[in-house]
Amino acid sequence: DAGVTQSPTHLIKTRGQQVTLRCSPKSGHDTVSWYQQALGQGPQFIFQYYEEEERQRGNFPDRFSGHQFPNYSSELNVNALLLGDSALYLCASSLFETQYFGPGTRLLVL
Amino acid sequence: KQEVTQIPAALSVPEGENLVLNCSFTDSAIYNLQWFRQDPGKGLTSLLLIQSSQREQTSGRLNASLDKSSGRSTLYIAASQPGDSATYLCAPLCNQFYFGTGTSLTVIP
Repeated sequence: DAGVTQSPTHLIKTRGQQVTLRCSPKSGHDTVSWYQQALGQGPQFIFQYYEEEERQRGNFPDRFSGHQFPNYSSELNVNALLLGDSALYLCASSLFETQYFGPGTRLLVL
Repeated sequence: KQEVTQIPAALSVPEGENLVLNCSFTDSAIYNLQWFRQDPGKGLTSLLLIQSSQREQTSGRLNASLDKSSGRSTLYIAASQPGDSATYLCAPLCNQFYFGTGTSLTVIP
């Protein structure tokens, strides 16, 4: 059983560009959450998707948006990239309460 | 807003020692609390989840306790090994998970 997978593993963009990150949840999991982790910090909650709807949202601007597909996979989109968006982006899936994390996508904005 | 503090920020111990990592949180209205391990540049691995109604949870050499009323949790690691070297994060769940900045543990062979 594959765990949570994320793609790509690394990404370099320039300011003002747009980026899409992808996540496939653990088999059988229906809920996907996204987190941003800056260097030396703990992860910060961006939003959570359940049944293709955004269920919870953290304190992130509208430049951050997402989507969940019928197969429960998810995308995170960030528009108008800023230097401060450089971080490790983590996806976590869950069926009940325990969250299982993917390896993350390292985004560098130049 | 939930604030999570982890003490110490970094810890270096010789192999074989028992150690305690501390986590405190400001809002006691939590559903549960999860402890994670993170290796450098990697994702998080779930270690233990304690429900708000529980006092402790054990898995192998790990034991986590929870005192919801005082806003504290501890992670006890017995007989530490070099492979335990990682950053340990606690995350209480309110309407979302809030993470501390973690404790960076180094176990010296």
